[in-house]
Amino acid sequence: ETGVTQSPTHLIKTRGQQVTLRCSSQSGHNTVSWYQQALGQGPQFIFQYYREEENGRGNFPPRFSGLQFPNYSSELNVNALELDDSALYLCASSLPNLNADTQYFGPGTRLTVL
Amino acid sequence: KQEVTQIPAALSVPEGENLVLNCSFTDSAIYNLQWFRQDPGKGLTSLLLIQSSQREQTSGRLNASLDKSSGRSTLYIAASQPGDSATYLCAVISGANNLFFGTGTRLTVIP
Repeated sequence: ETGVTQSPTHLIKTRGQQVTLRCSSQSGHNTVSWYQQALGQGPQFIFQYYREEENGRGNFPPRFSGLQFPNYSSELNVNALELDDSALYLCASSLPNLNADTQYFGPGTRLTVL
Repeated sequence: KQEVTQIPAALSVPEGENLVLNCSFTDSAIYNLQWFRQDPGKGLTSLLLIQSSQREQTSGRLNASLDKSSGRSTLYIAASQPGDSATYLCAVISGANNLFFGTGTRLTVIP
């Protein structure tokens, strides 16, 4: 059984650029959630994808968008980067019933916006 | 809106000591509560998950309790070790299928 993987590990961008972060789900998991964790804070929910459709969204602007592919891997895209977008971006995979199961987190992508 | 608070923000204890981390949440209508561990710059590792109908869960030296009516949870770590040094996050699921996290407690266990 493979765990959740994310790429790249680190990324440096400048303000106004666009970035794509990638996540591969744990085997058998068809639900992917993305979180933003600013330094010294807890993770904040960005959105969730289930069977290639967005299935819930947190308080993030439309320039944060995502995709989920048939193999359940996922992308997080951020347009028009701002300095405050600097954070650790975590993805987590799970089965759909979060009432009963935990989410499994990847190691994260550290994004720095200069 | 659900808000999760963790106290203390940081804790330093000598090796071997027992300790308690606290978590409180504002909306008691939760599905479950989880405790996670995060090492510096790393992802999250799930430690314990307590369903809303349960009052506690145990795993090795860890014991987590849940009092839904008062909106509180505690994580008890027995006989702490330097390897326990990390940030501990609690998170609840209520309503939508996403986790609401606290800001964490940074634990340092001194050898």
